[in-house]
Amino acid sequence: NAGVTQTPKFQVLKTGQSMTLQCAQDMNHNSMYWYRQDPGMGLRLIYYSASEGTTDKGEVPNGYNVSRLNKREFSLRLESAAPSQTSVYFCASIWGLQAGNTIYFGEGSWLTVV
Amino acid sequence: ILNVEQSPQSLHVQEGDSTNFTCSFPSSNFYALHWYRWETAKSPEALFVMTLNGDEKKKGRISATLNTKEGYSYLYIKGSQPEDSATYLCASSNSNSGYALNFGKGTSLLVTP
Repeated sequence: NAGVTQTPKFQVLKTGQSMTLQCAQDMNHNSMYWYRQDPGMGLRLIYYSASEGTTDKGEVPNGYNVSRLNKREFSLRLESAAPSQTSVYFCASIWGLQAGNTIYFGEGSWLTVV
Repeated sequence: ILNVEQSPQSLHVQEGDSTNFTCSFPSSNFYALHWYRWETAKSPEALFVMTLNGDEKKKGRISATLNTKEGYSYLYIKGSQPEDSATYLCASSNSNSGYALNFGKGTSLLVTP
């Protein structure tokens, strides 16, 4: 059982380049999230998808777009990367937003924008 | 956006000490409170999910309490060990945020022998 899988694990981009972070979960979870983690800032929510076909902005959505491709996959796209987007990105999923369910995280994607 | 606050920001204790940290969160329309343990370069690991006022959960030497009316949760570690060194994150959700989990900045715990 792979859980939540993110790719790539590491990426270096030049300012202005675009890229997509891929996330897939094999737990039949309904809800998926993208967070970024920066020193001293904890985890900040970028976008989330409560269910297949829906997406919503989180705390820091600017500069990002997302696609909930199907129930399994939730991708995060940087259209024109900026140095401020250098961060560690975590994808996560949860079976449902009902109280008591646990959220599961991927292993993180380290992104550097130069 | 929920404002989840954790204190202290960091903590350094000796092996064998017991310790506790605080998570405060907006109490209105509360839905759930999560605690995670996070080691550098690893995925956050779920410790507890609590939903009811007065909930108490325990996992080995770690326990947590929840007060939804006043909007706080405590995490306790009894007899800290070096392997407890990690960042402890809490996250809460409520119906106003579409039930999305919003995290605090974490408490970084260092336990030295």
